[in-house]
Order: sequence, then structure tokens, then C-alpha cells
Amino acid sequence: AQSVTQLGSHVSVSEGALVLLRCNYSSSVPPYLFWYVQYPNQGLQLLLKYTTGATLVKGINGFEAEFKKSETSFHLTKPSAHMSDAAEYFCAVSLSGGYQKVTFGTGTKLQVIP
Amino acid sequence: NAGVTQTPKFRVLKTGQSMTLLCAQDMNHEYMYWYRQDPGMGLRLIHYSVGEGTTAKGEVPDGYNVSRLKKQNFLLGLESAAPSQTSVYFCASTPAGARNTQYFGPGTRLTVL
Repeated sequence: AQSVTQLGSHVSVSEGALVLLRCNYSSSVPPYLFWYVQYPNQGLQLLLKYTTGATLVKGINGFEAEFKKSETSFHLTKPSAHMSDAAEYFCAVSLSGGYQKVTFGTGTKLQVIP
Repeated sequence: NAGVTQTPKFRVLKTGQSMTLLCAQDMNHEYMYWYRQDPGMGLRLIHYSVGEGTTAKGEVPDGYNVSRLKKQNFLLGLESAAPSQTSVYFCASTPAGARNTQYFGPGTRLTVL
């Protein structure tokens, strides 16, 4: 079984400030981890993912995330927020082997203040 | 490629009415999914399919049925709509394999009065 916890349903940052969105997971086997972004009135699209190999993963739009097994975390960061980053962000986990059952977190809405 | 498309984009139903949501993908993906998105609850899996002619229940299947007669299409049916089914419905598809990205459609906003 797997689960995902996203801390903070709403996060506000000033334009140019660091963005940090938190995600913790639990799984019984090594997980695959994803961050998706949803802009208003759109479907979700992939920001980045961790499968194997390097634990620091870079994605689109300057975002990156680090897989920390000891902390069971996969936090999303961006050094400098842009107004266009305002969206809802979802962390997700799936397990290796067989059918891909993905479990999504409840989402974090990012507000960027000018 | 159009990717994943969903029809309709919006729909208003009265309690007890039925409808079918259509999802189509042109990426030759094996797996397809139907999710519902409700405020504060993230995405919850309704039904999924791992191939043409096969479907399975997700975590919230009650009140919904699905069919996948063709690999590229995945239909979600509501036989007797209830206000609790007011939601935004997303279809997604992915190649087989747990490490693969899910590709989402734009969503269908359904209101049941």
C-alpha cells in the first residue's frame, strides 16, 4: 500500500522568493514519485518524476525535487517564484511491478504575490 | 497528436438522469483511468483499464460503470446521477509500467441538480 501527504493546502510566496512545497510518502517497496501541476481549468501535467538513479530531479519551469529515502520525502522547490507559477501542485506515488496504481496527494495551491 | 480528449467539457444533469463521458487518446497507450477531483480531496480513482476489453474498480466506483471496447476509447457512465456525483472528471492514459507519466485530458465539469 502507498500514501502521500502534502503539508499545507495553500502556500503563498512573494514573487522572486523561494518556493517550497512539501510531500511525504509511505510505501512498502521503493516508490516512483511524481509532481504534477494543474493550472486553472486544465488537466494535470507532469512537472518532474523520480524513478531510479539521481535523487535530485530537475523538471520543467525551473522546478526540482529531491528524493530523500531516510525522510520519506520528495519536496518540490524553485529558487525564485514567478507569477506564472500560481497553480495547484500534486505529489503522487506509484509502486514498481504490475499495474501502475498512482496515489495522489490532496494538492497544494500556490499563490504568488506581486 | 491531440493527446487525451474528453467530451463533453461541461454538463448539467438532474438527479436520476444518465449520461456517458467519453475519453479518447491517440498515443496508443495501454492503460486508461477515470478520476474525479473534489476540493480538498485530490484525485480519486473511479475505474481503470489495463487493456482493450478489460476494466477494474478503483477506490470510488459506486454509481459508475465503464467500458473499453476500443483501445483508444474509455467511456464512463452514470446510470442514475446523484448530487454527490457533482465533480470534475479527468481521464488519463499511460503506457504500461509503473514509472510512466500519466497524460491527462482537460476535464469534464459535471453538475447534478
